[in-house]
Amino acid sequence: KAGVTQTPRYLIKTRGQQVTLSCSPISGHRSVSWYQQTPGQGLQFLFEYFSETQRNKGNFPGRFSGRQFSNSRSEMNVSTLELGDSALYLCASSSWWRENTEAFFGQGTRLTVV
Amino acid sequence: AQKITQTQPGMFVQEKEAVTLDCTYDTSDPSYGLFWYKQPSSGEMIFLIYQGSYDQQNATEGRYSLNFQKARKSANLVISASQLGDSAMYFCAMRYNNNDMRFGAGTRLTVKP
Repeated sequence: KAGVTQTPRYLIKTRGQQVTLSCSPISGHRSVSWYQQTPGQGLQFLFEYFSETQRNKGNFPGRFSGRQFSNSRSEMNVSTLELGDSALYLCASSSWWRENTEAFFGQGTRLTVV
Repeated sequence: AQKITQTQPGMFVQEKEAVTLDCTYDTSDPSYGLFWYKQPSSGEMIFLIYQGSYDQQNATEGRYSLNFQKARKSANLVISASQLGDSAMYFCAMRYNNNDMRFGAGTRLTVKP
């Protein structure tokens, strides 16, 4: 069974540009969550999608958006990039959204904004 | 507010010895899940072990066991027979009803040969 796949693995962008990150969950999983990890803030929740609907959203500006497709693949978009957006972005896949459901992570996309 | 606390920024352990990584949590929700993840320098978060709030027994997965003390709200990870490959960041996380997963700040474990 294939794991969670995130693409690309590394990205370098310039301030003001926009970026799209992709996450393919484990086959059969319908819940996808996104997290931002930085040395200063640790792991912070961005949003969660289940069956193409956003269920939860973290405390991030509107420049951060996401969506989920009918095949459960998810994308997140960051517009008007700022230097502070440099981080490791992790995607987690779950079969369900309840508290007793394990979440499996991808290898992450390391975004550098210059 | 729900909160996860890992009080050990860094830990050292000798190869082949056991080590305990601490995690305390705070929630008023009766139903929650507790998780431990390992993050090597490559960045991937590797799922290690899960404990449900209603589980009567402590969870075990190979060399990993979770010392769950519900009244004290602690969920410590015990790694037995440490290996050099266990050197990594370890994160404790909690997931509760209808909400996202919250993570602690992490503990960097270094296994010495």
